[in-house]
Amino acid sequence: DTAVSQTPKYLVTQMGNDKSIKCEQNLGHDTMYWYKQDSKKFLKIMFSYNNKELIINETVPNRFSPKSPDKAHLNLHINSLELGDSAVYFCASSHLGAYNEQFFGPGTRLTVL
Amino acid sequence: DQQVKQNSPSLSVQEGRISILNCDYTNSMFDYFLWYKKYPAEGPTFLISISSIKDKNEDGRFTVFLNKSAKHLSLHIVPSQPGDSAVYFCALNVGGGADGLTFGKGTHLIIQP
Repeated sequence: DTAVSQTPKYLVTQMGNDKSIKCEQNLGHDTMYWYKQDSKKFLKIMFSYNNKELIINETVPNRFSPKSPDKAHLNLHINSLELGDSAVYFCASSHLGAYNEQFFGPGTRLTVL
Repeated sequence: DQQVKQNSPSLSVQEGRISILNCDYTNSMFDYFLWYKKYPAEGPTFLISISSIKDKNEDGRFTVFLNKSAKHLSLHIVPSQPGDSAVYFCALNVGGGADGLTFGKGTHLIIQP
């Protein structure tokens, strides 16, 4: 009965590879997000999607491409991985509108060697 | 330029006493304020929130105070319990859309027995 789930939980890969992280929510939310927590522990918004449409893209390199096949899923594809991409990536979801808290997944720790 | 600052990286409090976590912000457009709790290797979990039309919101042992003129937010936990040991993030939003949350860097709360 996990609300927001992510796979995989850990991902170790070589520079230059392409990888994907999957996210699913079963809360019936219409808005989903990707956040990145870097080595300095800052959690920063990367993307938000509402009803499968991109709403926010916060100056993220175009090597990162979110894809939303339906309202319950928001996957993150990363091409040509770089060392600086190593971080923990969190997916989140919420209802659209003011004063709605976001629910977070458990995170995916990506390590690029 | 950090829009949200949590100036105490860590805080140690004795079990049973009050824990007070602080958060300052610079952007007066923020109108929805949340606290999240995070355990290691897990995603942030929503704790409590307050909108800009209020100055206090209480939920059990947790109370959030908002001082808009000072652009200051605080979380009070009383009495503090061992299970409260975690990293606490304040997160702010400009309500009404699919905006991501702007997070502080977090405060690691340690409850001493």
